[in-house]
Amino acid sequence: DTAVSQTPKYLVTQMGNDKSIKCEQNLGHDTMYWYKQDSKKFLKIMFSYNNKELIINETVPNRFSPKSPDKAHLNLHINSLELGDSAVYFCASRSEVGTPNSPLHFGNGTRLTVT
Amino acid sequence: AQTVTQSQPEMSVQEAETVTLSCTYDTSESDYYLFWYKQPPSRQMILVIRQEAYKQQNATENRFSVNFQKAAKSFSLKISDSQLGDAAMYFCAYRTRRGGTSYGKLTFGQGTILTVHP
Repeated sequence: DTAVSQTPKYLVTQMGNDKSIKCEQNLGHDTMYWYKQDSKKFLKIMFSYNNKELIINETVPNRFSPKSPDKAHLNLHINSLELGDSAVYFCASRSEVGTPNSPLHFGNGTRLTVT
Repeated sequence: AQTVTQSQPEMSVQEAETVTLSCTYDTSESDYYLFWYKQPPSRQMILVIRQEAYKQQNATENRFSVNFQKAAKSFSLKISDSQLGDAAMYFCAYRTRRGGTSYGKLTFGQGTILTVHP
């Protein structure tokens, strides 16, 4: 029943490891996003995909690689994790067609802790 | 680039009273969207209210309303009859209506923590 679901909810790992966060939406939306919320709660966009194509790629280290196998999925893979990567990562989606003021629908976030 | 500023890191209100959260933004665009999102301790991001810049009428959603002052680039949120469940962090956000690589991107303010006292 969940609209935007992310797994896992919590991820604790050591520096240097590679990890992935998965995101799926069942809303039929054509655009998906990854946002990062840092320790000060500031939210910043990382990536946006529209119909599996990369639209937005903010200044994110290339250790972060999003992958969109289809419109309903946008996964985030992170290589060589660093302490500064510790944050909450939110997946979100919306429809670019239809109602122009349609809001983002967010997942519940993945808290990544790098030790 | 657009920026969003929430100048109140923390606010508090008594249950059943009214509180206003401030938000200002900077943009050279004439058409855009503004949003308020709520993030309770569960960390879920919940849409509270939205406003289209081309609409002069202020948006309202039950106990939530906005005061949109386009010329002043101000978008404050008023919560009436505050309830304990309103306690959360509130984020103001801006979205362009232009196409291109910024389309759909939300730019957030720093957030305001709202405490509701019984």
